[in-house]
Amino acid sequence: GENVEQHPSTLSVQEGDSAVIKCTYSDSASNYFPWYKQELGKRPQLIIDIRSNVGEKKDQRIAVTLNKTAKHFSLHITETQPEDSAVYFCAASRGQGFSFIFGKGTRLLVKP
Amino acid sequence: GAVVSQHPSWVICKSGTSVKIECRSLDFQATTMFWYRQFPKQSLMLMATSNEGSKATYEQGVEKDKFLINHASLTLSTLTVTSAHPEDSSFYICSALGPDGDEQYFGPGTRLTVT
Repeated sequence: GENVEQHPSTLSVQEGDSAVIKCTYSDSASNYFPWYKQELGKRPQLIIDIRSNVGEKKDQRIAVTLNKTAKHFSLHITETQPEDSAVYFCAASRGQGFSFIFGKGTRLLVKP
Repeated sequence: GAVVSQHPSWVICKSGTSVKIECRSLDFQATTMFWYRQFPKQSLMLMATSNEGSKATYEQGVEKDKFLINHASLTLSTLTVTSAHPEDSSFYICSALGPDGDEQYFGPGTRLTVT
């Protein structure tokens, strides 16, 4: 079945450093890849997304890259701040449908 | 815009009873809503896709007779956990497909504890 692998499961960086989280997906028909940030006990919040016809997208300190051939996409956070500390989930659409398969999450800790 | 609410935010019930959780899109119409379950420090597991006016589509391994889903209007979907047991204790989160057709907007979640 469809699967999304996410690495690393935990990531600790110093404030100001960059953080990179990587995901791979199995369904070659997936065409939409969102990234969510979830703080403890709160709802997931969409932080950035990318569609399969785009290779890279950037929004201030956050960027996402997509390699369709390798079925791989990554989240890049530059100049990390303590408030970036949270759990980040990648997801891939199931085919070209509306439902998502989520990765297992990455717990990011930014040390001041 | 694109706000989703859930009610209740937390609930404690006794084993064997049923609990209903509501998911509402407050400022947009959502023909499709999703129900997820999240265990502590784990990912979101899709339980079912709820379509307004039709039967929900359940994921493999999810008992449709235990987790009843009703999407009776364009702004409301409900999840009823029937004959709840302690192993049903979890964080249940709904999401609604946004107006653009790709993004899912999540509700704040409902923490269910079955004693």
